Amino acid sequence: DQQVKQNSPSLSVQEGRISILNCDYTNSMFDYFLWYKKYPAEGPTFLISISSIKDKNEDGRFTVFLNKSAKHLSLHIVPSQPGDSAVYFCAASIQGAQKLVFGQGTRLTINP
Amino acid sequence: NAGVTQTPKFRVLKTGQSMTLLCAQDMNHEYMYWYRQDPGMGLRLIHYSVGEGTTAKGEVPDGYNVSRLKKQNFLLGLESAAPSQTSVYFCASVQGTEAFFGQGTRLTVV
Repeated sequence: DQQVKQNSPSLSVQEGRISILNCDYTNSMFDYFLWYKKYPAEGPTFLISISSIKDKNEDGRFTVFLNKSAKHLSLHIVPSQPGDSAVYFCAASIQGAQKLVFGQGTRLTINP
Repeated sequence: NAGVTQTPKFRVLKTGQSMTLLCAQDMNHEYMYWYRQDPGMGLRLIHYSVGEGTTAKGEVPDGYNVSRLKKQNFLLGLESAAPSQTSVYFCASVQGTEAFFGQGTRLTVV
């Protein structure tokens, strides 16, 4: 029973364009959502987060949108850069960053 | 400025062997977690600890044991390794709304 789902295993985007990564969740108790970025042979690194009391959080080129009624969040990267090529994990929790529940990950490739 | 350090980085075990993975954090965090990453599955929580001397089961605890004798260290043990435990293991240290991950341990059980 996958509580957090990333239905796109991979995504390919042209450099300079917008990358949109999607994530769906089923547990309505989740109140905190995070995105992590992972390069090969490294641990996940924190990218951006959003609390359920907000519907948008922006940090530079990265914006996360939360639609609670649809139980859906998305990560927008604009403009996309070659260094953004990585696996992106969506994660959710009921309390801060405790006991994170992760999605399957989406491999993003930025083409020059 | 080490953050979260995992040892070893790679290991190959034979079925039935035992081993311990070590996670060390220097941020004085109370909460520590062990996850495993498998293709198409994301990261799944094995065990976690909310403070020195405490441990609890996560989503996939079977076949693993943990100990938190010191606040800075969280050990993950495999008593009798099985091929199904072939995975990449990540330790995380948590403070509030941020989780910091180690670089991972790639374990292969043959």
